[in-house]
Amino acid sequence: SVLTQPPSVSAAPGQKVTISCSGSSSNIGNNYVSWYQQLPGIAPKLLISENNKRPSGIPDRFSGSKSGTSATLDITGLQTGDEADYYCGTWDSSLIAYVFGIGTKVTVL
Amino acid sequence: QVQLVQSGGGGVQPGRSLRLSCVASGFTFSTYGMHWVRQAPGKGLEWVAFIWYDGSRKDYADSVTGRFIVSRDNSKNTLYLQLNSLRAEDTAVYYCAGDPPNSGFAFASWGQGAPVTVSS
Repeated sequence: SVLTQPPSVSAAPGQKVTISCSGSSSNIGNNYVSWYQQLPGIAPKLLISENNKRPSGIPDRFSGSKSGTSATLDITGLQTGDEADYYCGTWDSSLIAYVFGIGTKVTVL
Repeated sequence: QVQLVQSGGGGVQPGRSLRLSCVASGFTFSTYGMHWVRQAPGKGLEWVAFIWYDGSRKDYADSVTGRFIVSRDNSKNTLYLQLNSLRAEDTAVYYCAGDPPNSGFAFASWGQGAPVTVSS
């Protein structure tokens, strides 16, 4: 994938996890990053838009940031309901295509 | 509330065609860019196609260029994806997604998904 994410991360309930998303100047470096949560068997849901904006209804336990050609999603106060796959996504101006990371599976220990 | 309701999925033989539909409600469809995203069994998300709010621009993933056609009818609040020359590797759940104006390509709303199985 054009965007690199770790395949999995895990932590105990109440702890924090950080998911990284690494790209290049043609994608993350010059375009907004979004983050999506996909619970098993259902459609993805937008968590973060424009690098760090939370849509209405998304808890402030979820936060996003971007620096250069990398982006990060932090989940604090981890809950069992947060077990899901998380994808970063952005437009790639060279490919003229939207690109997703491979997805990161979050496991609550 | 914002809703995208999909229809048109199913089983089809290789080389055949299928059309997916996505009916929008609860928002001003004619102002949203719209995307198709697919997910093969056990795999991650793959972007398929994008159409501007007014249909004036369309972009496609390399894997479907020349075979798939995205279109929209703003008078019917409906998005379409015509899938032609289908291959086994096109087997996936297909989602439509809405991209609000000035959101920097954020897929704010999603359909429920339509499974497409290509098999002989």
